[in-house]
Amino acid sequence: EIVLTQSPGTLSLSPGERATLSCRTSQSISASYLAWYQQKPGQAPRLLIYGASSRATGIPDRFSGTGSGTDFTLTITRLEPEDFAVYYCLLYGDSPLYTFGQGTKLDI
Amino acid sequence: QLQLQESGPGLVKPSETLSLICTVSDGSISSSNYYWGWIRQPPGKGLEWIGSIYYGGSTYYNPSLKSRVTISAEASKKQVSLKLRSVTAADTAIYYCARQGGGILFPLNWGQGTLVTVSS
Repeated sequence: EIVLTQSPGTLSLSPGERATLSCRTSQSISASYLAWYQQKPGQAPRLLIYGASSRATGIPDRFSGTGSGTDFTLTITRLEPEDFAVYYCLLYGDSPLYTFGQGTKLDI
Repeated sequence: QLQLQESGPGLVKPSETLSLICTVSDGSISSSNYYWGWIRQPPGKGLEWIGSIYYGGSTYYNPSLKSRVTISAEASKKQVSLKLRSVTAADTAIYYCARQGGGILFPLNWGQGTLVTVSS
């Protein structure tokens, strides 16, 4: 089973700054199988990025994803107040079919 | 506009079976384009995929839960159900249903979730 490790656990930034979130996999994976989600308190997760770098419909272009192999990054340029949330990476795999990272909390 | 609505008891006793239903408001759950899944989140913790069902009836379960989980679908009612047997306090969580597909491998549409507490 592939393990996803997100870092940092908590990231404290201010509006207008740039956020860089990391997701590392314990084995090399196809970038097609990596996604990022945002979850705000009391809400279901929202798909931001799939295939490591493709933005989902309606996602602002300040969100971008990069990476390959075992290292993947979600970057948020020019943080807006509504961006402060928890972010999860998600692997589409074999068994289990889906594996989530443990999450990064983006704090003001 | 697709909507997914989870429903079921909010309180389940230890050792009993947790049963939830996800009702889909729009479209057919029999579409070959989509999978329907369940994901849970213990209060204050991270997300865990439970399992998914494909329109043809194929099911996929998290190995960690496979011995206790059954996911099924009833197309005529536009419902996907989850049964989790022999629950313990560790199964206390918000349970989400979600749809994946339409060219995207990942859950795109989610219900708002329902909290299930396991307690006597």
